[in-house]
Amino acid sequence: SQQGEEDPQALSIQEGENATMNCSYKTSINNLQWYRQNSGRGLVHLILIRSNEREKHSGRLRVTLDTSKKSSSLLITASRAADTASYFCATDGRRDDKIIFGKGTRLHILP
Amino acid sequence: DAGITQSPRHKVTETGTPVTLRCHQTENHRYMYWYRQDPGHGLRLIHYSYGVKDTDKGEVSDGYSVSRSKTEDFLLTLESATSSQTSVYFCAISDLGRGEGPQHFGDGTRLSIL
Repeated sequence: SQQGEEDPQALSIQEGENATMNCSYKTSINNLQWYRQNSGRGLVHLILIRSNEREKHSGRLRVTLDTSKKSSSLLITASRAADTASYFCATDGRRDDKIIFGKGTRLHILP
Repeated sequence: DAGITQSPRHKVTETGTPVTLRCHQTENHRYMYWYRQDPGHGLRLIHYSYGVKDTDKGEVSDGYSVSRSKTEDFLLTLESATSSQTSVYFCAISDLGRGEGPQHFGDGTRLSIL
């Protein structure tokens, strides 16, 4: 399986601090995606990074990809209460149209 | 937000009954997916569709069937519901396959099998 594994499973930080979540996967990929899920809602796509990219930014989000280590990280800078959510990485299936989600990191921003 | 609607949003039913969940999209996207989300398991793919009448199995397809007779609708059927199928079900759509583009999710159907 190419399922991504997020680390840590849960993270609590103070508002204003930076949050870093990691994702590791097992086999080579073409793309890796990060999603956010607020409680009781569907997942929302955050960012897609391709295997030939090393870093990508979107607002306060920074994603890195290290294909040699089969890992990715998501950094949220200057966290806000609204960032409280679960975050998932997802990797492509290379030979089919599926993407495989990890089990997620639960992020809690403390006021 | 992508135009994707799941119905019903909540359902309680009894073991052994058939259940059909509907996913409707207004985006004309080619790909549609059904997932279930359970504590400790994350999001797992049940079935997906890569075009009208074209479907394939996912990781946890046993006990489920799907149909897609038109682009905008993707139906998930539990042929004889069991308590292990109590879960939150999400539909997603994408205009690109092979993980080349984002998936857009509905807000889910909370299904309880008693």
